[in-house]
Amino acid sequence: AQSVAQPEDQVNVAEGNPLTVKCTYSVSGNPYLFWYVQYPNRGLQFLLKYITGDNLVKGSYGFEAEFNKSQTSFHLKKPSALVSDSALYFCAVDEGGSYIPTFGRGTSLIVHP
Amino acid sequence: GAVVSQHPSRVICKSGTSVKIECRSLDFQATTMFWYRQFPKQSLMLMATSNEGSKATYEQGVEKDKFLINHASLTLSTLTVTSAHPEDSSFYICSARAGPAYEQYFGPGTRLTVT
Repeated sequence: AQSVAQPEDQVNVAEGNPLTVKCTYSVSGNPYLFWYVQYPNRGLQFLLKYITGDNLVKGSYGFEAEFNKSQTSFHLKKPSALVSDSALYFCAVDEGGSYIPTFGRGTSLIVHP
Repeated sequence: GAVVSQHPSRVICKSGTSVKIECRSLDFQATTMFWYRQFPKQSLMLMATSNEGSKATYEQGVEKDKFLINHASLTLSTLTVTSAHPEDSSFYICSARAGPAYEQYFGPGTRLTVT
């Protein structure tokens, strides 16, 4: 069975500082990994995904994530946070072959001016 | 990115009535659509997965006779909440995907209030 964990309900960071939103996963086979963002009063938006290839994946709005197979992690990062990055972030894993993704419970990112 | 529309955005209905929510992929063909419920400040709860032309696959604990899902075409899926009750009040979100391993594109959601 596949599972995904976002260990932090909330992450606080000052504007201009680097941010990390953590995600770990568990699958039997090869993972397909996704990050989505939900801004206040808006629908979820796709940020980036890892299917195969380079472990460092770059996505929308300056975000990137690194696939680490040994640590079964796919943390979301950004070098310099903006207040407008404040939102709810979801990590999702889809074991290759199941094609039904499992979402983490979400991490609320708050960027302080 | 691709666009998924969802209609209506808000609906209020009386207890015992039915309400239909539409989900459309506007600029791509969606082989798979998903329906979720989202509770305040909580994660997404997958209700069902539907593939075009097939019966929906419901998650454990979701009543298939209460939440009717139809995926009649590659661009349209509908969720009908039958005999709605106040506990069905929630935020319902659909998503669509072009194929396996593709990312999902989400609709803006429907706020259902049952009085």
